[in-house]
Amino acid sequence: GEDVEQSLFLSVREGDSSVINCTYTDSSSTYLYWYKQEPGAGLQLLTYIFSNMDMKQDQRLTVLLNKKDKHLSLRIADTQTGDSAIYFCAPDRGSTLGRLYFGRGTQLTVWP
Amino acid sequence: ETGVTQSPTHLIKTRGQQVTLRCSSQSGHNTVSWYQQALGQGPQFIFQYYREEENGRGNFPPRFSGLQFPNYSSELNVNALELDDSALYLCASSHDRGDNEQFFGPGTRLTVL
Repeated sequence: GEDVEQSLFLSVREGDSSVINCTYTDSSSTYLYWYKQEPGAGLQLLTYIFSNMDMKQDQRLTVLLNKKDKHLSLRIADTQTGDSAIYFCAPDRGSTLGRLYFGRGTQLTVWP
Repeated sequence: ETGVTQSPTHLIKTRGQQVTLRCSSQSGHNTVSWYQQALGQGPQFIFQYYREEENGRGNFPPRFSGLQFPNYSSELNVNALELDDSALYLCASSHDRGDNEQFFGPGTRLTVL
């Protein structure tokens, strides 16, 4: 199976919260990242969490990490139409510092 | 704006040709990684360079090679292009290996006909 799995699509209404979930396989990952990609663009680093933390809050973003289950989530509060994009969770490969591995990403669509 | 630039933006090549893609990292960033993102997929790690030496490689054949220069620029070279090499190629730079912030460039869209 895939090393990183995410739901492919998520639709929410403007103002609601969005929760994007991710499962991964490498238990030695040190940092786990969330990136945002808009059409035709590169990747924008949103936030990341260190593996010894279980939660990190950064303005509208909340990251939860369940290391035992290898489950990561990103919550976006008060979702706006400008948040529509593809979101990737990207754990690092513990065996190679700075090497990230990605799933196919979640396409978030925000309806007005 | 990440301070990482890539050129060219778009490129069209034919099968069997060779291509060089360029990346300019932020000043002081000693590590650059290259990723291939096929349409509808997530990025796949190609290799990483640290202080001009290759420092880890993904599951890509030797016809994918790279160079890193002292002026924080780097290149990805692909020989004997195949149709499946069509993808968005992204470089990412960080201050050091394992740095907890990697900044991606906008990518080069390569089309192989």
